[in-house]
Amino acid sequence: EPEVTQTPSHQVTQMGQEVILRCVPISNHLYFYWYRQILGQKVEFLVSFYNNEISEKSEIFDDQFSVERPDGSNFTLKIRSTKLEDSAMYFCASINYMQETQYFGPGTRLLVL
Amino acid sequence: EDKVVQSPLSLVVHEGDTVTLNCSYEVTNFRSLLWYKQEKKAPTFLFMLTSSGIEKKSGRLSSILDKKELFSILNITATQTGDSAVYLCAAMNRDDKIIFGKGTRLHILP
Repeated sequence: EPEVTQTPSHQVTQMGQEVILRCVPISNHLYFYWYRQILGQKVEFLVSFYNNEISEKSEIFDDQFSVERPDGSNFTLKIRSTKLEDSAMYFCASINYMQETQYFGPGTRLLVL
Repeated sequence: EDKVVQSPLSLVVHEGDTVTLNCSYEVTNFRSLLWYKQEKKAPTFLFMLTSSGIEKKSGRLSSILDKKELFSILNITATQTGDSAVYLCAAMNRDDKIIFGKGTRLHILP
């Protein structure tokens, strides 16, 4: 069974620090996503990415956030200056529209102190 | 504003029962409807529905989309305790934005 991997599984950082969350999507998928889930709340869409550019982003995805796919395999989410309210579980996902399947990574739990 | 509403918010049934979970959506430029099962961590993909009226099945789970009435249902037959989870519905538009519902928390009693 194919899988999306994410690193690190947990990250603790100080407010104001930059963090980079990494994801390796499934190799033949072309559409990639980042979501977050604050503890006890619903999953929220952050951004979608296709053909090396952002397709759509939510209101949450402000100038502090950026995504890139630097080497054709890794898909990263950077938060430039973390805030307390960025503490959440961050999930990466990829979709294969031909097979109508989507896979989530296991998530990175980010805690901002 | 785009939104996805799931009902009920929570449901408790006995093992062996059949359950139907509901999802209605209002999404501009709708593309697909997705269902997930979330236990402790990451959501597990169940179904992606793009065409109206075509049932998708996977074991005891099945789902169907009605694009005219803007809703979908997820059926689970012969429920087992391992089906206990939060079931998430999400709607995707043609710009690849995905809007999640709050989920239905399903608890199966032995």
